Amino acid sequence: KAGVTQTPRYLIKTRGQQVTLSCSPISGHRSVSWYQQTPGQGLQFLFEYFSETQRNKGNFPGRFSGRQFSNSRSEMNVSTLELGDSALYLCASSLAGGSSYEQYFGPGTRLTVT
Amino acid sequence: AQSVTQLGSHVSVSEGALVLLRCNYSSSVPPYLFWYVQYPNQGLQLLLKYTSAATLVKGINGFEAEFKKSETSFHLTKPSAHMSDAAEYFCAVSDAGGTSYGKLTFGQGTILTVHP
Repeated sequence: KAGVTQTPRYLIKTRGQQVTLSCSPISGHRSVSWYQQTPGQGLQFLFEYFSETQRNKGNFPGRFSGRQFSNSRSEMNVSTLELGDSALYLCASSLAGGSSYEQYFGPGTRLTVT
Repeated sequence: AQSVTQLGSHVSVSEGALVLLRCNYSSSVPPYLFWYVQYPNQGLQLLLKYTSAATLVKGINGFEAEFKKSETSFHLTKPSAHMSDAAEYFCAVSDAGGTSYGKLTFGQGTILTVHP
């Protein structure tokens, strides 16, 4: 089975711009979670989607949003980019997103905001 | 709310030596616990998970971890380190039976260095 894929792998944006990141989960997985990884804050949960519905959300401002499509592919959007949004954004897929289900991570999208 | 503490941000061992990476968790309900490894410029790879079936969990690449409820610990071990084990390791927790869908809470990570 193909793993989790994320596109693009690298992005450079300017402050104030917006960005959209894409995640394709493992075939058959219906839950997609997003995380932000930075040297200072570590790995932080952004949100989780299942069957096109956001079921859980982390403590991030409203500039961070996401959606999921009927084929379970997911996108996250960050509007009005700030320098502090520079990070590695990871998505993870699991069969159903419950607590016991393993999450499988993609390679991440490295976002640099200048 | 659950939390994870990894003791030691850096651990250095010699090739062939025992690897011990420490993880303590805090959770109001019985947790599910995971160890992940991250190589440079890559995502996270699952090493093993604890879901209450057995306290000693065996994972990939010769790693194992023991769940100790009395100590709220889930330390990761490997009997003999290999150069290819050099990476950053993350312990993570999710609440069993909760509604915290899709959320893993991670420790700050431990960078493992293996010397020849």
